[in-house]
Amino acid sequence: KQEVTQIPAALSVPEGENLVLNCSFTDSAIYNLQWFRQDPGKGLTSLLLIQSSQREQTSGRLNASLDKSSGRSTLYIAASQPGDSATYLCAVRWETSGSRLTFGEGTQLTVNP
Amino acid sequence: NAGVTQTPKFQVLKTGQSMTLQCAQDMNHNSMYWYRQDPGMGLRLIYYSASEGTTDKGEVPNGYNVSRLNKREFSLRLESAAPSQTSVYFCASRSRTSGVRTDTQYFGPGTRLTVL
Repeated sequence: KQEVTQIPAALSVPEGENLVLNCSFTDSAIYNLQWFRQDPGKGLTSLLLIQSSQREQTSGRLNASLDKSSGRSTLYIAASQPGDSATYLCAVRWETSGSRLTFGEGTQLTVNP
Repeated sequence: NAGVTQTPKFQVLKTGQSMTLQCAQDMNHNSMYWYRQDPGMGLRLIYYSASEGTTDKGEVPNGYNVSRLNKREFSLRLESAAPSQTSVYFCASRSRTSGVRTDTQYFGPGTRLTVL
């Protein structure tokens, strides 16, 4: 079964720390992988999208990597800020799933001032 | 440019009642999606529409129907609501920028539904 897992479910760090969020997937035949941010009571906002042929994508303080062979992606956040507090979800589009996405359950990040 | 809009924002129903959740996008996207989000289960796809006039079942379609009214609008209907349908419902639409091979889904703010 094609599944996406995110561990840990919650993470709390002090402001300024660099941190890594993890996403693992069970099938290496992916089309692309996206990282989303969700603020409480809000919808999802796409942060980064990595195509299957890419190894990483960067946007500002965010860097997402992809290792298909090991079934893993990481989201690196540099110099974390309280405004980064949110839930981060990864979603996989499989080669066989058309445009449908499979989401992980997310990691709830709290950055403490 | 409002993006993806959803109505209503909140709704409380009694078991057996029916309602329609509305979704509209102004980005000229072809594909639209309905998801539900539940604690401990993440987002799950209910139905999607790859283009105007087509709809397909997702992972959890039972108890729901959809209508792709036109390119902008995609509605989700609960014919006989059940407590198990208490959830947050998100609509999304998909862009695909030709030539760059990007592929991003844009989400609405959600509808919080409680079925008593």
